[in-house]
Amino acid sequence: QVQLVQSGAEVKKPGASVKVSCKASGYTFTNYGITWVRQAPGQGLEWMGWISAKNGNTNYAQRLQDRVTMTTDTSTSTAYMELRSLRSDDTAVYYCARAPTFAVAAVYWGQGTLVTVSS
Amino acid sequence: EIVLTQSPGTLSLSPGERATLSCRASQSVSSSYLAWYQQKPGQAPRLLIYGASSRATGIPDRFSGSGSGTDFTLTISRLEPEDFAVYYCHQYGSSPLTFGGGTKVEIK
Repeated sequence: QVQLVQSGAEVKKPGASVKVSCKASGYTFTNYGITWVRQAPGQGLEWMGWISAKNGNTNYAQRLQDRVTMTTDTSTSTAYMELRSLRSDDTAVYYCARAPTFAVAAVYWGQGTLVTVSS
Repeated sequence: EIVLTQSPGTLSLSPGERATLSCRASQSVSSSYLAWYQQKPGQAPRLLIYGASSRATGIPDRFSGSGSGTDFTLTISRLEPEDFAVYYCHQYGSSPLTFGGGTKVEIK
């Protein structure tokens, strides 16, 4: 069965960076991409971007593209999302989801990773 | 960027009643690339509807989606206790992908 298991909660100071991992299993990793979505406490969902696990092509949300980097490691079937220059409004639950292209409604989601940015 | 506006913000209904949720887009959604997700507290979103009207695998037929262009609707024909949750519409036809602000369906 398809599973996406994310890394644990993080607490970071403003200006720091965070790297969240998403380990995939139950399917051929390179046949799909990974979408990243975040959700601030009590708020709605925000699409952050997508990466192809086949060739590393990315499509980032413009408002984040200066601070976000998405990568994959095909040897471990793991996707990563790094967010730099963290601010308090980056406090959110970060989700990964499987998507063959960015223009797909994702079915399989990770459990979410809470990132708290606080001084 | 396509802005999705959901209404109402909160819907207070009783089990067995019909729920009608609206999602309006600021511009036409390409090829009806419009989905609906359900989210419960502490859980990841769950895909209900894609392509505006196709039910995802395992989704009960009390959930139905309709609409095209800029106006879309999610209908829950008879609310079950497990249906009380927040629902988001989501367009995935043009970058950046966007979500609506959500409609909370609560028990009256």
